Amino acid sequence: DVKVTQSSRYLVKRTGEKVFLECVQDMDHENMFWYRQDPGLGLRLIYFSYDVKMKEKGDIPEGYSVSREKKERFSLILESASTNQTSMYLCASSLLRTGANEQFFGPGTRLTVL
Amino acid sequence: DAKTTQPNSMESNEEEPVHLPCNHSTISGTDYIHWYRQLPSQGPEYVIHGLTSNVNNRMASLAIAEDRKSSTLILHRATLRDAAVYYCILRDGYGNKLVFGAGTILRVKS
Repeated sequence: DVKVTQSSRYLVKRTGEKVFLECVQDMDHENMFWYRQDPGLGLRLIYFSYDVKMKEKGDIPEGYSVSREKKERFSLILESASTNQTSMYLCASSLLRTGANEQFFGPGTRLTVL
Repeated sequence: DAKTTQPNSMESNEEEPVHLPCNHSTISGTDYIHWYRQLPSQGPEYVIHGLTSNVNNRMASLAIAEDRKSSTLILHRATLRDAAVYYCILRDGYGNKLVFGAGTILRVKS
């Protein structure tokens, strides 16, 4: 069965801390994505990657960076967490880089920055 | 970027069909129309997608207007487990950009 896992379901951090959110997929997918989800705003794309060591900015990359050293793992990094980064973070993957491909989502990490 | 517009919420009775509309008047020729749903405390789940023709799968049907400026997700017999937020999403032919609408909250009454 297809699986995308995220390192934590819930995370509480303090302002200014460096935060790592990890995502692992076991489907040998080329493409991986990071979104954040906020009430009333739906899902917004932060970054995506279509190959190892490749990354592209999504719609709201400010304040975030990403790392993809291995095909199965895609990390989202908050260099200096701020309270406006309190959100639900969702990781997804898809097999191919075409519009016809479905995305598989992880369960999400609810991050609270105090 | 092409955007989608959906009603904020809809309500249905159990065992009845549900038609969830989506407008995407600025859709481009290479955009695929995807539908996902999200149950409480879970990540989004793929439902169906299409390009020009109507599509059916085990979960739902997708009806696409001839001019592609709108589409309708059809759940043939709603169950309580179908209560979720349904997102209509445009995905370009290169798979790079996804445009999420605010989604429709579907409530199913028993």
